Amino acid sequence: DGGITQSPKYLFRKEGQNVTLSCEQNLNHDAMYWYRQDPGQGLRLIYYSQIVNDFQKGDIAEGYSVSREKKESFPLTVTSAQKNPTAFYLCASNLGGLGSGEQYFGPGTRLTVT
Amino acid sequence: DAKTTQPNSMESNEEEPVHLPCNHSTISGTDYIHWYRQLPSQGPEYVIHGLTSNVNNRMASLAIAEDRKSSTLILHRATLRDAAVYYCILRDENSGGSNYKLTFGKGTLLTVNP
Repeated sequence: DGGITQSPKYLFRKEGQNVTLSCEQNLNHDAMYWYRQDPGQGLRLIYYSQIVNDFQKGDIAEGYSVSREKKESFPLTVTSAQKNPTAFYLCASNLGGLGSGEQYFGPGTRLTVT
Repeated sequence: DAKTTQPNSMESNEEEPVHLPCNHSTISGTDYIHWYRQLPSQGPEYVIHGLTSNVNNRMASLAIAEDRKSSTLILHRATLRDAAVYYCILRDENSGGSNYKLTFGKGTLLTVNP
């Protein structure tokens, strides 16, 4: 079955530690995205990548970093510089390019930092 | 980006039709209207999208006003599994770069009563 996987589903970390969230897709999609969702709010874009070895900052990139070394993988690192890292993190992908329409989302990772 | 306005919440009864409205008075000619929904603790799921003509798929129908300043997502027979937050999003399909992203507002929380 094709789709997007995120792991783990729940993640707990101590303040001051960096943590990396995994996102893998086997849909052969060029474009991948990371969003953050806080309780009762919509999604906000952190980073996106339209092609391997290239990525751009979204609306709230501060305190986060990404890499795109392989087409199917787009890991997100939440660094200790992120002031409020506790949130629900969602990865998505689509074909990319003009008229690419539907975006496919993973199940999300809920990160709690104490 | 052109913005959308949706009611914060709506309520429906099981097996009745549901009409979810969305206003987008500043829509541009190249903006497509997308609808996604998000079930509790899950990633968003694509529902439907359209440009000018009404659209139907297995999940829902999308009715677009003639002036395109508003649209309505129609669930023909609501089930308990349709209880979710529904997002109406505009996306310019003729532009590249960051326009591939989806800008999520708070959406409409749909409650379905048994």
